[in-house]
Amino acid sequence: KAGVTQTPRYLIKTRGQQVTLSCSPISGHRSVSWYQQTPGQGLQFLFEYFSETQRNKGNFPGRFSGRQFSNSRSEMNVSTLELGDSALYLCASSLGSRGNNEKLFFGSGTQLSVL
Amino acid sequence: KQEVTQIPAALSVPEGENLVLNCSFTDSAIYNLQWFRQDPGKGLTSLLLIQSSQREQTSGRLNASLDKSSGRSTLYIAASQPGDSATYLCAGMNSGYSTLTFGKGTMLLVSP
Repeated sequence: KAGVTQTPRYLIKTRGQQVTLSCSPISGHRSVSWYQQTPGQGLQFLFEYFSETQRNKGNFPGRFSGRQFSNSRSEMNVSTLELGDSALYLCASSLGSRGNNEKLFFGSGTQLSVL
Repeated sequence: KQEVTQIPAALSVPEGENLVLNCSFTDSAIYNLQWFRQDPGKGLTSLLLIQSSQREQTSGRLNASLDKSSGRSTLYIAASQPGDSATYLCAGMNSGYSTLTFGKGTMLLVSP
C-alpha cells in the first residue's frame, strides 16, 4: 500500500512569489491535513480537508490556502512569500473518522526555502 | 486550547540504556495521544497511538503510557540502540478533530 506522497521534495523561491505544494494521501483516506515545521515554532497545524471541504483551520494568515480534489489529493498554496515561510511543510492523511483511533500518516514533506 | 510540552528537549545516552521521554498536555479532553519519530529533514513515522480509554501501548522495545488525569504521557525505550537516535514527538488529538497538537520534541542521541 503506497504511503503519503508529497511533491516536490525541495523548492527554492524568492520573496513575493507564490508556491503550490501537492499531497497524495493513502488510498481510501479522505482527510488531508497540512502542517508547517520550523526550528523555532515546531510543528503547527495549517488546515484540514475532508471530502473537498475545509473542516478545520489553524492560525495562519490568508496567504496560506489549500484545496482538496474529488480523488482526495490536496494542494497547498502560499502567496506573496516571505522569508519566514521557509519551513518543512508536511502533509498527513487519515480516514477522517474523528474517532479516538484516528491515526495520521505523514509524508516526507516539502522543504521550502525563501530567498 | 491544547498545549503540549516535552521534557527534556535533548537527551544523550550510551547504547544499552533504558530511557524515558516525557510529554505533558493541558487539555484532558483528549481523544488519543500519538508518539512519532522524525529523522533529520524527513517526515514523521508513527510509533504508538494510545486511545483515551487506554493506559498504555507497546510495540517491541517501546512502551507508551497515558494518564489523562495528570495530563501526562511517557515513552519508554528499552535497551537503546544507535539507530534509535532521532527526534521523538508526542501529539494530542482532541475530540471532534482529525488534527494533532504537537510538542516540540525530544532530540535523542544514543552513542555506541
